[in-house]
Amino acid sequence: EPEVTQTPSHQVTQMGQEVILRCVPISNHLYFYWYRQILGQKVEFLVSFYNNEISEKSEIFDDQFSVERPDGSNFTLKIRSTKLEDSAMYFCASSHMTNISLVAAMNTEAFFGQGTRLTVV
Amino acid sequence: AQSVTQLGSHVSVSEGALVLLRCNYSSSVPPYLFWYVQYPNQGLQLLLKYTSAATLVKGINGFEAEFKKSETSFHLTKPSAHMSDAAEYFCAVRRANFGNEKLTFGTGTRLTIIP
Repeated sequence: EPEVTQTPSHQVTQMGQEVILRCVPISNHLYFYWYRQILGQKVEFLVSFYNNEISEKSEIFDDQFSVERPDGSNFTLKIRSTKLEDSAMYFCASSHMTNISLVAAMNTEAFFGQGTRLTVV
Repeated sequence: AQSVTQLGSHVSVSEGALVLLRCNYSSSVPPYLFWYVQYPNQGLQLLLKYTSAATLVKGINGFEAEFKKSETSFHLTKPSAHMSDAAEYFCAVRRANFGNEKLTFGTGTRLTIIP
């Protein structure tokens, strides 16, 4: 069964360092997302991406964050200069297959990866 | 704007007992509602979804949920808990008819099964 894969599963980085989290979405999906979950808090939306550009972003997604689809398969989240409060579980998701009906597209759901736990020290 | 509230951050039930995880939503437009499950060291997996076709929705692993507009609720139930049901459960909402839109999640409920 197709799945979203994320690497690494756990990343430890020093404060101020740049970090890149990697995701391989399901191959025929068109929409890509990043969410994060700070320990003990709710899962929060960061950004959505479609047709090689950001379609929506939250207030959390400031200038320190960027996303990229460098090739046909990977989708990355970059944090330019990490802060202690960036420590969280980061989830990648994808949705909306090509060649499905409008009704199916409206009713589709997002498929999530297993997450990358980022620890900033 | 949309939001969901999950009552009870931790729920414990005995094996074989009824599982009831509560979710109430707030939405200014017709909502679509989802339950996701996260097993230890795994990602978020869709349990079931409400997309206006039927108010009683059946999902995987014997779970079901009923959309009640009058109560703005979408509670998750399972008649008989199994040890393998121990996990964290998240309720989520988005606007209807916007398949690519972001999800808004609740804070999650950790389900513990007592042998």
